[in-house]
Amino acid sequence: EPEVTQTPSHQVTQMGQEVILRCVPISNHLYFYWYRQILGQKVEFLVSFYNNEISEKSEIFDDQFSVERPDGSNFTLKIRSTKLEDSAMYFCASRVLSTEQYFGPGTRLTVT
Amino acid sequence: AQSVTQPDIHITVSEGASLELRCNYSYGATPYLFWYVQSPGQGLQLLLKYFSGDTLVQGIEGFEAEFKRSQSSFNLRKPSVHWSDAAEYFCAVGVENTDKLIFGTGTRLQVFP
Repeated sequence: EPEVTQTPSHQVTQMGQEVILRCVPISNHLYFYWYRQILGQKVEFLVSFYNNEISEKSEIFDDQFSVERPDGSNFTLKIRSTKLEDSAMYFCASRVLSTEQYFGPGTRLTVT
Repeated sequence: AQSVTQPDIHITVSEGASLELRCNYSYGATPYLFWYVQSPGQGLQLLLKYFSGDTLVQGIEGFEAEFKRSQSSFNLRKPSVHWSDAAEYFCAVGVENTDKLIFGTGTRLQVFP
């Protein structure tokens, strides 16, 4: 069964460094998402992406964040200058046309 | 603003017992409703969804949920819990004309033998 994959599973970085989180959505899916979950808190929407552009973003998704679909398979989230409060589990999701989103296993980002 | 409340942070049940996890939402129109499960180290797996029609929906692995508009609830049930059901369960609402899911804080289910 096709699934969303994410790499790395765990990323440790120093404050102020740039990180890129990678996702490979399910191959025929058209809509792509990033969510995050700070430890002990709820899963929060960051951004949605369709037709090579951002379709919606939350207030969390400020200028430090960017997304890209550099080729036909990858979908990346870049954080330009990480802060301690960016430490969280980051989930990628994708869907075809229905509202049902399929989630990846997540990347745990630790900023020290 | 739309929101989802899962009032139970942690629930413990014995294997074979019945289960009900509560979910309440706040949204003006008919929402799209979902239950996801997250096992340790795993992603969020969709258990079931409600878009319209029959208010009792069946999901995978014997789970079901009932949409009650009058109570703004979408509680998840299972008649007999298995030890492998121990996980974190998230209720989520999809909002019309936006593309995002709004999640509750989750309920951690522990199953005793």
